Amino acid sequence: DIQMTQSPSSLSASVGDRVTITCRASQGITNDLGWYQQKPGKAPKRLIYAASNLQSGVPSRFSGSGSGTEFTLTISSLQPEDFATYYCLQHNSYPWTFGQGTKVEIK
Amino acid sequence: EVQLVESGGGLVKPGGSLRLSCAASGFTLSSYSMNWVRQAPGKGLEWVSSISSSSTYIYYADSVKGRFTISRDNAKNSLYLQMNSLRAEDTAVYYCARAGCSSPSCPPDYWGHGTLVTVSS
Repeated sequence: DIQMTQSPSSLSASVGDRVTITCRASQGITNDLGWYQQKPGKAPKRLIYAASNLQSGVPSRFSGSGSGTEFTLTISSLQPEDFATYYCLQHNSYPWTFGQGTKVEIK
Repeated sequence: EVQLVESGGGLVKPGGSLRLSCAASGFTLSSYSMNWVRQAPGKGLEWVSSISSSSTYIYYADSVKGRFTISRDNAKNSLYLQMNSLRAEDTAVYYCARAGCSSPSCPPDYWGHGTLVTVSS
């Protein structure tokens, strides 16, 4: 099984800050990676697909990069509505695996 | 508008069974693979099962293999998850999620709001 190591597990940031979250795969997954945002009590929402493609309707302050084993989600200027938990998902091979999640909190 | 509405969750005793349903609307179900993903209370997301658009390909997490069965009825715009031999560790919110295409390799794009399954005596 492919393990996804996501870091950090949590972070505190202020509105306007640049935030970076990383996922590392235990083996190469080309660009078969997505990023999801989840707010408390809500369903996950896809932000990024194929590692770097912005989902339609998602603000351009979100971006994704990487290929192979290392991937990054960047929020260029954190907004109040961005405080949430973020997950990466590898879908290169079954079983699909999620990162452990990164909780972004208000500083 | 894509809508996915799960139902069938509830309280069940260990060893019991439950059948979850997911009603799809706003798109043609037969054109997409579908998935179940779960989230235990206070925990992260866990992929459970995937089924291709015509049910040709089906995959399960090891944790549910042999106990859960995914199925679909495209004519009824519905996805199902039959859960047998339930354990306490199956307690979670179960999400129905549409894949981004017909291939089972496509990841979820839209998610339902989930249905809570609680396994407890």
